[in-house]
Amino acid sequence: GAGVSQTPSNKVTEKGKYVELRCDPISGHTALYWYRQSLGQGPEFLIYFQGTGAADDSGLPNDRFFAVRPEGSVSTLKIQRTERGDSAVYLCASSFGTSGGTDTQYFGPGTRLTVL
Amino acid sequence: AQSVSQHNHHVILSEAASLELGCNYSYGGTVNLFWYVQYPGQHLQLLLKYFSGDPLVKGIKGFEAEFIKSKFSFNLRKPSVQWSDTAEYFCAVGGGSYIPTFGRGTSLIVHP
Repeated sequence: GAGVSQTPSNKVTEKGKYVELRCDPISGHTALYWYRQSLGQGPEFLIYFQGTGAADDSGLPNDRFFAVRPEGSVSTLKIQRTERGDSAVYLCASSFGTSGGTDTQYFGPGTRLTVL
Repeated sequence: AQSVSQHNHHVILSEAASLELGCNYSYGGTVNLFWYVQYPGQHLQLLLKYFSGDPLVKGIKGFEAEFIKSKFSFNLRKPSVQWSDTAEYFCAVGGGSYIPTFGRGTSLIVHP
């Protein structure tokens, strides 16, 4: 497709479980971003990839969160030992990657994660 | 680090009313400013952005925003709203290599 896609659209898990969220960016976009959006809040930055490498991971809340982008395209956000506070919509965005601060970001539909 | 404040969390208007949504930011360097919109059931998408030059920026669907450096503001305006403008609006500020920071958003409801 032409846009950013994310799977699954919804994920319900139990506290303590491990989850993986997938993002497929727009073809040709070298930059990829992960955000987390809680109810009533704006997107909160988690991590930014330029190609295969994490250019900025300062937004990851703790070491339970990890993300990879091994081939510079699809990215997976991994959350270990999930907690109820991890419940949120996880957004992925991609851009051409000319500059992290100035690029127009194209967002996916998000994955709604619910931790019971 | 940059921060963004959106003062109006919920705005309700009738069609044809004028709209102004406030956005204030704090950032010490050269700023890049964005307004994103999320229509019901759709993805976040760019409405308009400011990098440099003319501080009055025009975006899609008749929206505009004015960058006022002395007030650290980037308010979004539309002279006459339509029912289809009902959406969540997010202001974001970035700069150089800094990933944009988003405000908490303003929910706009336009009654027909």
